[in-house]
Amino acid sequence: RKEVEQDPGPFNVPEGATVAFNCTYSNSASQSFFWYRQDCRKEPKLLMSVYSSGNEDGRFTAQLNRASQYISLLIRDSKLSDSATYLCVVNIGRNFNKFYFGSGTKLNVKP
Amino acid sequence: DADVTQTPRNRITKTGKRIMLECSQTKGHDRMYWYRQDPGLGLQLIYYSFDVKDINKGEISDGYSVSRQAQAKFSLSLESAIPNQTALYFCATSAPGQGGNEQFFGPGTRLTVL
Repeated sequence: RKEVEQDPGPFNVPEGATVAFNCTYSNSASQSFFWYRQDCRKEPKLLMSVYSSGNEDGRFTAQLNRASQYISLLIRDSKLSDSATYLCVVNIGRNFNKFYFGSGTKLNVKP
Repeated sequence: DADVTQTPRNRITKTGKRIMLECSQTKGHDRMYWYRQDPGLGLQLIYYSFDVKDINKGEISDGYSVSRQAQAKFSLSLESAIPNQTALYFCATSAPGQGGNEQFFGPGTRLTVL
């Protein structure tokens, strides 16, 4: 079983739409959680960390549900520039030494 | 200038050849990582290092070796390249800290083994 699972998509949405992605993780000892964005053939870049109480950064909202072992990312008012692959990442390990990446969810925002 | 650099950016090699991918960083981070990414799969950890004297295997270390020459440099070697090592390779760095800090990635090396 994979440590982190995501729906690969693609999610095809019009500009201005609200879209949500979920990600499930298998290890209940997971310590910290992140969403990264990856543009085609480029390196991943941190979009936001995910905190237990949920957190928001502009049009982006992340939620964590430890009981059900999933995290979510909500994007409001989608822009063309939001088109990318979104990677769910969890950190496990006594020294926070291991990051596990989901395979990513692809988002296409259409005009 | 980029904080994490990788060389080469693209490499085509033949089965059985030994090749080295290099990573340098100017972020002053102690922790460095090597990942590979295959289409439709997430990044898989090959090796990681928490300082110059600390090297650890990741999920898929077979067929790879690493060298941490200095805090700023972490090299990945394929001793005898095979076609299923064709992938996109990323180096990353992070600072230690509670909760696992953000990782900063290099631009990637696209490796093709014929």
